[in-house]
Amino acid sequence: DTEVTQTPKHLVMGMTNKKSLKCEQHMGHRAMYWYKQKAKKPPELMFVYSYEKLSINESVPSRFSPECPNSSLLNLHLHALQPEDSALYLCASSPAGGGARDTQYFGPGTRLTVL
Amino acid sequence: KNQVEQSPQSLIILEGKNCTLQCNYTVSPFSNLRWYKQDTGRGPVSLTIMTFSENTKSNGRYTATLDADTKQSSLHITASQLSDSASYICVVSPNTGGFKTIFGAGTRLFVKA
Repeated sequence: DTEVTQTPKHLVMGMTNKKSLKCEQHMGHRAMYWYKQKAKKPPELMFVYSYEKLSINESVPSRFSPECPNSSLLNLHLHALQPEDSALYLCASSPAGGGARDTQYFGPGTRLTVL
Repeated sequence: KNQVEQSPQSLIILEGKNCTLQCNYTVSPFSNLRWYKQDTGRGPVSLTIMTFSENTKSNGRYTATLDADTKQSSLHITASQLSDSASYICVVSPNTGGFKTIFGAGTRLFVKA
């Protein structure tokens, strides 16, 4: 299995809802990432987990809460989002993180719309 | 400040033609430079990865070059196809042993029949 999967593909939620995005990889990668991407912009890093521990939090608002239950799974819990949070949310994984040959493999993304 | 700049911002070519996309970076030292293809609304897909000591890397009709002296990289697409229409993103990883990468803004390529 050489891919990163994300569910759901699309999500529409109200500002008072609580929802979760899920990401899974079975490549044995030890680093997993969440990115946010607005239209016609490059991805912006949100969180990085390394060996199931939160390694980077790019000053993301607390309405976004990441969770890494095990080395293959990464969740992003959403609560009280704002319409400006509407974007494509991308999950990625990499074998270790930071090595010369290390590259990130991206999932297909979840298109989130906040009403 | 570490930056990655891509040009042109967008490009329209006819099917079957070749094209070259540019990436200039100021990240130094760097661990690797990658080119990704991203279809609209989808996740980026890795095309090539080069370390600072590599000059060229090919993946089918895609060939990336790297000049570490001038801090420039290019992605050459040969015999373009309609399915090549996408954004092409240049990404550079600083040699700091961490996880952060620096993304270029991308070049949007449109291939017309």
